[in-house]
Parts: sequence; C-alpha cells; structure tokens
Amino acid sequence: QKEVEQDPGPLSVPEGAIVSLNCTYSNSAFQYFMWYRQYSRKGPELLMYTYSSGNKEDGRFTAQVDKSSKYISLFIRDSQPSDSATYLCAMTKAAGNKLTFGGGTRVLVKP
Amino acid sequence: EAGVVQSPRYKIIEKKQPVAFWCNPISGHNTLYWYRQNLGQGPELLIRYENEEAVDDSQLPKDRFSAERLKGVDSTLKIQPAELGDSAVYLCASALGNLWAGELFFGEGSRLTVL
Repeated sequence: QKEVEQDPGPLSVPEGAIVSLNCTYSNSAFQYFMWYRQYSRKGPELLMYTYSSGNKEDGRFTAQVDKSSKYISLFIRDSQPSDSATYLCAMTKAAGNKLTFGGGTRVLVKP
Repeated sequence: EAGVVQSPRYKIIEKKQPVAFWCNPISGHNTLYWYRQNLGQGPELLIRYENEEAVDDSQLPKDRFSAERLKGVDSTLKIQPAELGDSAVYLCASALGNLWAGELFFGEGSRLTVL
C-alpha cells in the first residue's frame, strides 16, 4: 500500500463547476501538505501548501487538511478549461525534507 | 527570472547505453533535488543536495545511477548502463535554503525512453 493514495481519474467537469480533489495518507508524521498542478509535458508547479490541519483559501482554490482522518482536499471554484491538468498532492514530515507525492488526478474542464 | 533549466528534454537510447541529464537551478537556490516520475505516477525522490553535499541519496540506485553537483550550482544525473525500466521523466527541482515550506520549483523534465 502506498503512503499517499490519490484517485487517478480522469475527472471531467463542465466549465464553471466546482472541482473536488482529495488524497488519503497513512503516515501520521506528515505535517506539511501541498497541491501541485502539472500540465502535460511540464514540471509540477506549486498551487497551495498548508501546515497541519485547517483550511486555506487562495482565489478560486481552497485546500483543506483533516489530520485526524488523514485526508486532504483541494477545491477549485468556477473551473476554467485552463484548469485542465494533473493535480498532485504531496506531503512531508518537516520543512525541507523530501516530498511524498500521490499519483495525481487528471482533470478535464470542458468548455 | 529564469526557472530551473534541464537538458536534454527528450532522449531515446538503447538498453545498456549510458545517458546523462543536466540541471541548472534557479540562481541562489542552494538546495537541489532529482526526482523520477514514471508514467501515471507522482515524482519520487532520487537524491537531494544542499550546496554540493548529497544529504539524502537513500533512494538512488547506486549500482547504475550517479549524480554530482560541482561547485554547488549545476547538477548532472547519470545512468550507466540504462535498463528498460529506467524509462521515465527525470525532474530537477530547486529551493531556497533547506527549511522551505512547500515552495519547490521544478524544471520541465528530461523524458527518457530506453528501447
């Protein structure tokens, strides 16, 4: 069993819909949680990161962490075709340590 | 500001041949990572450098993989000899300092196909 599980999708939504993504993990030592976006044939780029439990909002993006359930989520409001990409969750035990990634969820926003 | 630069972007070789990938991190970033990303999977760490020192190479297959970061700037990742299972995208990433919290900057990757 992988330390971080993520549904591979693809997740297809109409433009303007809310995209809901999530990851589960098994290692309770993880403290920092991130979401990266990866376009085809590009490197991942950081969207959001949170420390410990709680919510964080940045524009159309909201990240949630529930450490008691070992579950993290990313919501994308008013989705756009340009949001079509693979979304990777990642987490680490301490700042500067290696990131453990989920396998990524492919998202397709249809105009 | 230039991002993380990697070359070559694509490489096709036959098994048992050697291959090398080069990475130039963002200026001033002293921490550098090499990750490998297999198709449909997330990146997995191969090696982490702080300046010129490899501080975590526990997941680097040392029988065939080697890496170096001379002068604490550019880095090279080498595979010799390559095997079919080495086909993947090799990603280089850099960060400012060693206590960053999430902000890893990735290059576009070097896609290796081993025939």
